Parts: sequence; C-alpha cells; structure tokens
Amino acid sequence: DTGVSQDPRHKITKRGQNVTFRCDPISEHNRLYWYRQTLGQGPEFLTYFQNEAQLEKSRLLSDRFSAERPKGSFSTLEIQRTEQGDSAMYLCASSLGGARETQYFGPGTRLLVL
Amino acid sequence: AQKVTQAQTEISVVEKEDVTLDCVYETRDTTYYLFWYKQPPSGELVFLIRRNSFDEQNEISGRYSWNFQKSTSSFNFTITASQVVDSAVYFCALSEVGGKLIFGQGTELSVKP
Repeated sequence: DTGVSQDPRHKITKRGQNVTFRCDPISEHNRLYWYRQTLGQGPEFLTYFQNEAQLEKSRLLSDRFSAERPKGSFSTLEIQRTEQGDSAMYLCASSLGGARETQYFGPGTRLLVL
Repeated sequence: AQKVTQAQTEISVVEKEDVTLDCVYETRDTTYYLFWYKQPPSGELVFLIRRNSFDEQNEISGRYSWNFQKSTSSFNFTITASQVVDSAVYFCALSEVGGKLIFGQGTELSVKP
C-alpha cells in the first residue's frame, strides 16, 4: 500500500518568491490535512479537506497561503510572497472516513526562505 | 481549550533501560482520541497508537506499552528494554471534534549503546 507522498522534499527560495507544494494522500482516503512544524515544536494544524471541500482553516493560515484539493485527490499548498518566518517543515496527512480516524503522515516538505 | 503537554523535552538513556514518556492533556470533550507518533531523524511522523476516551485499558505492543488514566488526564508511553533504533522525537496528540490533531511539543529520546 503506497503511503502519503509529498513533493518536493526540500525547497530553498528567496524572500518574496511564491512556492507550491504537492501532497498525494493514500488512495481512497477522503480526508487530507496540512500541518506546519518549526524546529523543536510539534506540528501545528493549518487546514483540512473532506474530499474536495476545504472545511477548516487555522488562523496560522494567512492570506498569503492557499490550499486546494481539486477532484478530492491530491492537494497543493501555495505560499505567496514568502517570508523568512515561513521556513518550516510542511507536513501532509490523510485519513479514511470520520474525524477521529488515524492520520498517516507524509515525509514532509522542508522549506527554507533566504 | 484543548492542550497537550509533554513536560520532558529530552531524555537520555542507555540501551536496555526502560523509559517512560509522559503526556498530559486538557479537553472539554467527553469523547476524544489520543495518539502517539514517532518522528525519527528522517522527519516522517510514524503512527504508533490511537486510543479513545472510553477505553482505559492499558495496551502492550511488543516492547511498547501505554497507560491511559482519565482521572489524571494522562496517556503515558513506556518503552521496555530500549534500543538505539528507538532514538527519535515522540509526540503525543489529541484529536479535536473536527479531526485536527493538537500535538505536544515532543520528547526527544536518545538511546545510547
């Protein structure tokens, strides 16, 4: 069974540039979550989708962040006009069924903004 | 507010020692789920266990065991006869009604040979 995959694994960009990350969930998982993890901290929730519908967004998700999940399959997370404070690991997770099901995580995309 | 506290930031043990990682949570929900994840140096979060609030039975899986005590809002994790491969950051998490996970800050476990 293929796990959650994320692309790219690493991204270095200059301040002010736009970046886009992709997440492919486990097939048939209808829920998809995005989290952000900074050094020495636990992951923090950003947003989640039930199929193609984005159901919740954290206050951490400023106007520069946008996420999509067209057709309820893969998802993209875009950060516009990146800032140094955006440097973090961006984690994607997927789960099957209801809200309390186990979330399985991908390897993450590590972003460094110079 | 929902909150998970892992008071131990770092723990260092020698191989074959037993080690317990503490987790204390706060929630107003009557039904909730608790999780433990392992994050090795590679960075990927690996699921270890999921426990619902109605099941207070302790669980054992090989060298791993979990002690869930609702009365003290704790969900502690014990590794018996630790091994070098157990070295990682361990996260305790609480599931909110909508499904998002609230993570603790993690405990970095270092097992030395």
